[in-house]
Amino acid sequence: SAVISQKPSRDICQRGTSLTIQCQVDSQVTMMFWYRQQPGQSLTLIATANQGSEATYESGFVIDKFPISRPNLTFSTLTVSNMSPEDSSIYLCSVEARRGYTFGSGTRLTVV
Amino acid sequence: AQTVTQSQPEMSVQEAETVTLSCTYDTSENNYYLFWYKQPPSRQMILVIRQEAYKQQNATENRFSVNFQKAAKSFSLKISDSQLGDTAMYFCAFMKQIQGAQKLVFGQGTRLTINP
Repeated sequence: SAVISQKPSRDICQRGTSLTIQCQVDSQVTMMFWYRQQPGQSLTLIATANQGSEATYESGFVIDKFPISRPNLTFSTLTVSNMSPEDSSIYLCSVEARRGYTFGSGTRLTVV
Repeated sequence: AQTVTQSQPEMSVQEAETVTLSCTYDTSENNYYLFWYKQPPSRQMILVIRQEAYKQQNATENRFSVNFQKAAKSFSLKISDSQLGDTAMYFCAFMKQIQGAQKLVFGQGTRLTINP
């Protein structure tokens, strides 16, 4: 099963700034998924990132706020732009594995 | 639209007891996948069990088993001989693949506490 390294594990950021989260997979995968988990809530899909094409965003999420890069089949980044306290969440990346989906360890973001 | 509902926000049982977590979903599709994920305080999402909708046999993974009722759109998780390490949030999830696009939809979660 794929192993994902996600960085940073946590960060505290000032409002108005941006944070880029990285996910590195130990094998080549076609699609990578980015999720947001707000405090005490479930996971919500932000976007699906395919290598070589623009990411597909879910309703309520826009590219200007959450730009995604997918330069190759093992790596992706999610940027949270112009942050506000409402962006304080856990952000997780995910890929499809043999039995299901494997997730990164998550990035806990606090915006102050 | 696909929705997943977990009606038990919290559950608590004694160690070694059996506990069942409920999940219902709504879909008009015939082929899909269902999952249970565990999220301990470390926040790592861990796959517990998977069920393919075309399989009538309920999936089993050691102490974890499901009761999959396709007609009722129900997918409950049974944990036998519960252990302290089972304490976590449990999420039921539904996945459908169509024309190469996939989406994993999660329920609201059930916080399970195993007491010594």
